[in-house]
Amino acid sequence: GDSVTQMEGPVTLSEEAFLTINCTYTATGYPSLFWYVQYPGEGLQLLLKATKADDKGSNKGFEATYRKETTSFHLEKGSVQVSDSAVYFCARSINTDKLIFGTGTRLQVFP
Amino acid sequence: DTAVSQTPKYLVTQMGNDKSIKCEQNLGHDTMYWYKQDSKKFLKIMFSYNNKELIINETVPNRFSPKSPDKAHLNLHINSLELGDSAVYFCASSPHPVGNPNYGYTFGSGTRLTVV
Repeated sequence: GDSVTQMEGPVTLSEEAFLTINCTYTATGYPSLFWYVQYPGEGLQLLLKATKADDKGSNKGFEATYRKETTSFHLEKGSVQVSDSAVYFCARSINTDKLIFGTGTRLQVFP
Repeated sequence: DTAVSQTPKYLVTQMGNDKSIKCEQNLGHDTMYWYKQDSKKFLKIMFSYNNKELIINETVPNRFSPKSPDKAHLNLHINSLELGDSAVYFCASSPHPVGNPNYGYTFGSGTRLTVV
């Protein structure tokens, strides 16, 4: 069935390090792809999205490119901050009325 | 003002009890959801409602019964609670009539349910 697979965490980085969190998806249909972020004690927030192949979503210094050939949507940031510490969820749409999530990747950034 | 608010934030209860979780959104959104996040952070959709009508039911046990008295509210009632029901339950809303994800979902901060 349709699914999203993320790298297991936690990902532990020092401040200003480069971040990559891998995400791959099943290639059924023409999904839109998303990254959501969950800060401690809060609900998920939409971070960025891409609705078709080769689109790049970006927000707050984070980027992800919709790669149809590799069915991937990896999240990157050039220089992480302590305030980026959170759980990051990759997601894809199912048809036009549903969103399914990966299992989340916890990012811990230390000063 | 909180856009999507859930109550209670924490709920500890014994096996076999019946409990409810409430959700309200003040965004004027058409579609609301319940998601369950287990201990491994896996987030899975349970239900969605559009303007008080059920549109998605993801084979959730019938001990779980969502109720939507109006477009702004979607409550979750759970009968005969089991240990496996322990999780964080998130309410969410979407501005789209059928919940097209391209329009983004807004999530509440979650209700941590612990069944002992």
